[in-house]
Amino acid sequence: EIVMTQSPATLSVSPGEGATLSCRASQSINSNLAWYQQKPGQALRLLIHGASTRATGIPGRFSGSGSGTEFTLTISSLQSDDFAVYYCQHYHNWPRTFGQGTKVEIK
Amino acid sequence: EVQVVESGGGLVQPGGSLKLSCGVSGFTLSSSWMSWVRQAPGKGLEWVAIIKQDGSEKYYLDSVMGRFTISRDNARDSLYLQMNSLRVEDTAVYSCAKGGFYPDVWGKGTTVTVSS
Repeated sequence: EIVMTQSPATLSVSPGEGATLSCRASQSINSNLAWYQQKPGQALRLLIHGASTRATGIPGRFSGSGSGTEFTLTISSLQSDDFAVYYCQHYHNWPRTFGQGTKVEIK
Repeated sequence: EVQVVESGGGLVQPGGSLKLSCGVSGFTLSSSWMSWVRQAPGKGLEWVAIIKQDGSEKYYLDSVMGRFTISRDNARDSLYLQMNSLRVEDTAVYSCAKGGFYPDVWGKGTTVTVSS
């Protein structure tokens, strides 16, 4: 099983600032990585797939990068709607696994 | 609107059974892999099972293998998860999702509580 490790666990950011979230895979997953956003009581929202391709309707302030074992989600100029928990997930093989999440909170 | 809606959760005793359903609308079920993912209280996300468009391929999390069965009825626009021999550690919110690789539509989930 591929283990996904996210850092930091919590990120405190002021509105308007940028945020960089990291995700590491325990072995190479090429670019088979997705990022999701989760808010309390809401369904997961797909942000990025293929490590860097924005999903339909996702604003340009969200960008993904990386390949192999190291990945980054960057949110430029955080808006109030962006404070949430973010998860990375690989789909390189089965079982699919998620990172433990990074909570982006208001500073 | 493309959406998936889960139902069938509830309280069940250890060793009991429960069948979850997921109704879909706004897309053709037969064109999509489908998944069940769970999140235990205060814990992370676990991918429970996936099923190919025609049901010919199914994959399960090791801890549910032999106890859970994923199935689908494309004619009824429905996905199912039959859960037998339930354990306390199966307690979670179970969500269905459109896709087997990077699902792009997720439900809010249905809560399964396994407790005596």
